[in-house]
Amino acid sequence: AQTVTQSQPEMSVQEAETVTLSCTYDTSESDYYLFWYKQPPSRQMILVIRQEAYKQQNATENRFSVNFQKAAKSFSLKISDSQLGDAAMYFCAYMSSAGGADGLTFGKGTHLIIQP
Amino acid sequence: EAEVAQSPRYKITEKSQAVAFWCDPISGHATLYWYRQILGQGPELLVQFQDESVVDDSQLPKDRFSAERLKGVDSTLKIQPAELGDSAMYLCASSLGREGYEQYFGPGTRLTVT
Repeated sequence: AQTVTQSQPEMSVQEAETVTLSCTYDTSESDYYLFWYKQPPSRQMILVIRQEAYKQQNATENRFSVNFQKAAKSFSLKISDSQLGDAAMYFCAYMSSAGGADGLTFGKGTHLIIQP
Repeated sequence: EAEVAQSPRYKITEKSQAVAFWCDPISGHATLYWYRQILGQGPELLVQFQDESVVDDSQLPKDRFSAERLKGVDSTLKIQPAELGDSAMYLCASSLGREGYEQYFGPGTRLTVT
């Protein structure tokens, strides 16, 4: 079974600064997908960014980018120019590509605090 | 913008009672998921449907939990009897069902068992 580990329960960053959230995972599969989801307080979870394991190029979405190290099984999220609206729980998630069952396996999350 | 709908948003029930949650996925989404999120943890998959068929229910406590998606559209998750340890957020998500595609989450149902 796959596991996802987020070793930072809480991170704090000054507004406009850059912060990196860490995620490692364990799998025996060679093909899979990785995601970062954001869960704001009392609001639904939304997708931040997605990475296909077969792609070497790191995914980027505006101020959000990832550092995907397949050999190290590491998938960190970098948020540039942090904004107050970025404050939320961030979850790293793994999805198998082994056809059919593709429920997400989540880490325990990182609580991101933005200091004004 | 289309969203996943869930009801009720909050539910308080006594242990040993039955409770049910409802989910209406985004129109056209073939795949539907139920997750349980205990406070301070990440969500854990309970069951996955493809249309009306169960794809994965390996983590569903089948002695007390049941789930159905009779017409392949909306879905109901039931707990009978509820236990104190069932207190959690129950999240529904849907996707187009194509490999690697985004799952869209509903607002969840917060269950408190007393």
